[in-house]
Amino acid sequence: GAGVSQSPRYKVAKRGQDVALRCDPISGHVSLFWYQQALGQGPEFLTYFQNEAQLDKSGLPSDRFFAERPEGSVSTLKIQRTQQEDSAVYLCASSLGRNTEAFFGQGTRLTVV
Amino acid sequence: GESVGLHLPTLSVQEGDNSIINCAYSNSASDYFIWYKQESGKGPQFIIDIRSNMDKRQGQRVTVLLNKTVKHLSLQIAATQPGDSAVYFCVTRRRSGGSNYKLTFGKGTLLTVNP
Repeated sequence: GAGVSQSPRYKVAKRGQDVALRCDPISGHVSLFWYQQALGQGPEFLTYFQNEAQLDKSGLPSDRFFAERPEGSVSTLKIQRTQQEDSAVYLCASSLGRNTEAFFGQGTRLTVV
Repeated sequence: GESVGLHLPTLSVQEGDNSIINCAYSNSASDYFIWYKQESGKGPQFIIDIRSNMDKRQGQRVTVLLNKTVKHLSLQIAATQPGDSAVYFCVTRRRSGGSNYKLTFGKGTLLTVNP
């Protein structure tokens, strides 16, 4: 497709379970971002990639969160030993370098029970 | 710290009226100020941006005003339509080391357009 694609759309995990969220950015987009959006809040920055390089991971809330983009296209956000406070919508966005217009996917809604 | 706040969490208007959504920001280092729209169940969508050295920019039915003196940003939507109903986020962009530009979202204003 032409837009940013995220999968799965919904994920229910038991507390302590590991999860992996996938993001397919727009083809050719250099920049890729992950955001976490709690209910009723604005998206909070997690991490940023430029091609395959993770240039900023300052927003990752703990060492249970890990992101990768090994070939500079598809990215995976992994959360280990999920906790209830990890429940949120995880948004992926991509953009052409320095542009202010980031294209967001529909997000993955993670619910930890 | 860095924060982006909104004056009103909700705004309800009649179809055809003009809407004004306001935002206060705290980070003076931002080089761009941006408005995003988020419809229910979807990711945020870019509407319009304004560079920090400008005070007004117009798009199709939308106008963004920037007042750096009081650190205030507003989005004006002309002839609001039901399809404009969404949460609107005021977003600041600043360089965060090297070529990384970080977007910081505010909490959002829910705009409801009544037919």
